[in-house]
Amino acid sequence: RKEVEQDPGPFNVPEGATVAFNCTYSNSASQSFFWYRQDCRKEPKLLMSVYSSGNEDGRFTAQLNRASQYISLLIRDSKLSDSATYLCVVNPRGPPNFGNEKLTFGTGTRLTIIP
Amino acid sequence: EAQVTQNPRYLITVTGKKLTVTCSQNMNHEYMSWYRQDPGLGLRQIYYSMNVEVTDKGDVPEGYKVSRKEKRNFPLILESPSPNQTSLYFCASSLSSGSTEAFFGQGTRLTVV
Repeated sequence: RKEVEQDPGPFNVPEGATVAFNCTYSNSASQSFFWYRQDCRKEPKLLMSVYSSGNEDGRFTAQLNRASQYISLLIRDSKLSDSATYLCVVNPRGPPNFGNEKLTFGTGTRLTIIP
Repeated sequence: EAQVTQNPRYLITVTGKKLTVTCSQNMNHEYMSWYRQDPGLGLRQIYYSMNVEVTDKGDVPEGYKVSRKEKRNFPLILESPSPNQTSLYFCASSLSSGSTEAFFGQGTRLTVV
């Protein structure tokens, strides 16, 4: 089982719609969770961190479900500029990662917003 | 401007010809790492460094070397490149560990023929 799994998509969504992605992680000891955005052939950039209580940043809402080991990203009122690949990122603390608090990336979910 | 700078951005080379990809950050970050990104496999960590003179293997270190002689620089060395190292490479830095925001360089697209 992959450490971090995402539906690769592509998701083609009309402008103005609401879209949601889920991501599951395998290490129950994981402590930190993030969503990164990657535009075509560009570097990943942090979109938002995911906190236990959930958090919202404008049109974006991220939630964490520790019991089921998944995180979600909701985008409301989608814009053309939201077209990108969204990477689910987990810091899987615990064996065998002690000493290297590295980030483990999902393969990404590709989103295209259609006019 | 806070940034991570990689060079070169694009490189085509032949099998066996040693090459170095440079990475430099101006944010005084302790933690730096190298990733490669391949279709369907996502970003995979090659090597990381938790501070000057402290480096260790990531998930896919075979065929690569790194060094961390100064805090700001973390070059990636391919002693004898092979075609299976054709990939998109990213350098990243973060303040102290993987639990804080990682800043990525713009990427180096390497083709080994």
